[in-house]
Amino acid sequence: QQQVKQSPQSLIVQKGGIPIINCAYENTAFDYFPWYQQFPGKGPALLIAIRPDVSEKKEGRFTISFNKSAKQFSLHIMDSQPGDSATYFCAVRSGSARQLTFGSGTQLTVLP
Amino acid sequence: DAGITQSPRHKVTETGTPVTLRCHQTENHRYMYWYRQDPGHGLRLIHYSYGVKDTDKGEVSDGYSVSRSKTEDFLLTLESATSSQTSVYFCAISDPGKPSTDTQYFGPGTRLTVL
Repeated sequence: QQQVKQSPQSLIVQKGGIPIINCAYENTAFDYFPWYQQFPGKGPALLIAIRPDVSEKKEGRFTISFNKSAKQFSLHIMDSQPGDSATYFCAVRSGSARQLTFGSGTQLTVLP
Repeated sequence: DAGITQSPRHKVTETGTPVTLRCHQTENHRYMYWYRQDPGHGLRLIHYSYGVKDTDKGEVSDGYSVSRSKTEDFLLTLESATSSQTSVYFCAISDPGKPSTDTQYFGPGTRLTVL
């Protein structure tokens, strides 16, 4: 079953634009909602994460907005740069071993 | 990378042969995970480990087995590789002991091709 639905699949923005990537989940038992950034040939790296008792979190140019009632969370990238071009994955966490279930990914391209 | 190495980094093998991938960590994290990454599917959990000799199945465990005989090493074995197991495999670690480690950190990946 697909517990996390991520959209869009791909996104192209101009430098300085604000790309927004969305994720929707189905289960209310998740306790942690991270976003990972992955460059070609590399492993995913944690970008930013939020817990369900908070509606928004900012770290530098990256912001997570969390809507618990709608079971949705999104990543906003302010003042996007060509170096932000990467694949972004949302994830949800559950289970005693803190297992992650990932969205299918969004390939972001920021044009110079 | 958070002290995680994977070996080999690339491997080409033939259908029906056994394959073992190794994940090695120097962080002394309690939990370790194996994922596979395929286009359109994100990362999917294969197996994970709570600790030494303590493992469990993930979402896509069929055709895979794991072993963890010591904290730092987590092995993923394909007993008889099939073409559907062609993928990029990632190892991850985490430890709930403190907030800074209570998230998953990923290794560099192993690209496996089964002909």
